[in-house]
Amino acid sequence: DTEVTQTPKHLVMGMTNKKSLKCEQHMGHRAMYWYKQKAKKPPELMFVYSYEKLSINESVPSRFSPECPNSSLLNLHLHALQPEDSALYLCASSQVSAFGGGPLAEQFFGPGTRLTVL
Amino acid sequence: TQLLEQSPQFLSIQEGENLTVYCNSSSVFSSLQWYRQEPGEGPVLLVTVVTGGEVKKLKRLTFQFGDARKDSSLHITAAQPGDTGLYLCAGTGSNDYKLSFGAGTTVTVRA
Repeated sequence: DTEVTQTPKHLVMGMTNKKSLKCEQHMGHRAMYWYKQKAKKPPELMFVYSYEKLSINESVPSRFSPECPNSSLLNLHLHALQPEDSALYLCASSQVSAFGGGPLAEQFFGPGTRLTVL
Repeated sequence: TQLLEQSPQFLSIQEGENLTVYCNSSSVFSSLQWYRQEPGEGPVLLVTVVTGGEVKKLKRLTFQFGDARKDSSLHITAAQPGDTGLYLCAGTGSNDYKLSFGAGTTVTVRA
C-alpha cells in the first residue's frame, strides 16, 4: 500500500460548525503533515507530527486543531472557521531516517479535502 | 526559510513540443523533489535528486540537479496533453521537516 487517503473529498461548513478531516497511511511512515493550499499556489505547511508527537506548528490559528491518534492516522479538527480558510487541505507522510531520526525528504501526499467555509 | 524561484509561471505549448521548467535558489539544498499536481488532486512525487550534477530520466521527463545543489531543471520531450498540470519543485535544507516549495509552473499542452 503506497498511498495516503483523505476523507472527506469535499466539505462545506458554516462558520459555527465543528468538523474533522481525516488522513490515513499504511506505509509505515512516522512523520505526517498537514498543508493548506490555495488555487494555483504551492502548499503551505501547517503542522508536522513525528512519532505521533507534534513537532512543528507553523503559527496556525487555534481554530485548527491537529491530532495524531496513532502512527497511521492524522486528524485535523475544525471549529469556528472563516471564509478565508476555504482551501484544499492536504495530508502527507514521509519516512524517518533510521540514523539521524529526522524525516526523509520524500513526502507522499493524499488527494486532499476541498473545504468551503460559508 | 530557503526560497526557491521557479520559472516560468505559465507555459502553454502544442503537443509534440519540448519544454523546460527551472528552479533556482541562492541556498544549498540537501535534496530536491519535483511534483506534478492536477486540479483538485494532491501533488504526486515524480523524482528526488540528491547528488550535485545528478541527472534522472523518467520516460520523456529529464531532471537535473545543479553541481552546487542550488538549482534544478525539468525537461519534457515531445509533450503530450497528459503532461498538463501544475509542476512544483520543493527542496529540503537545514530543517528536513520543512519542504520549501517553488511557486509552481502551470503547464498546458494543447492537442
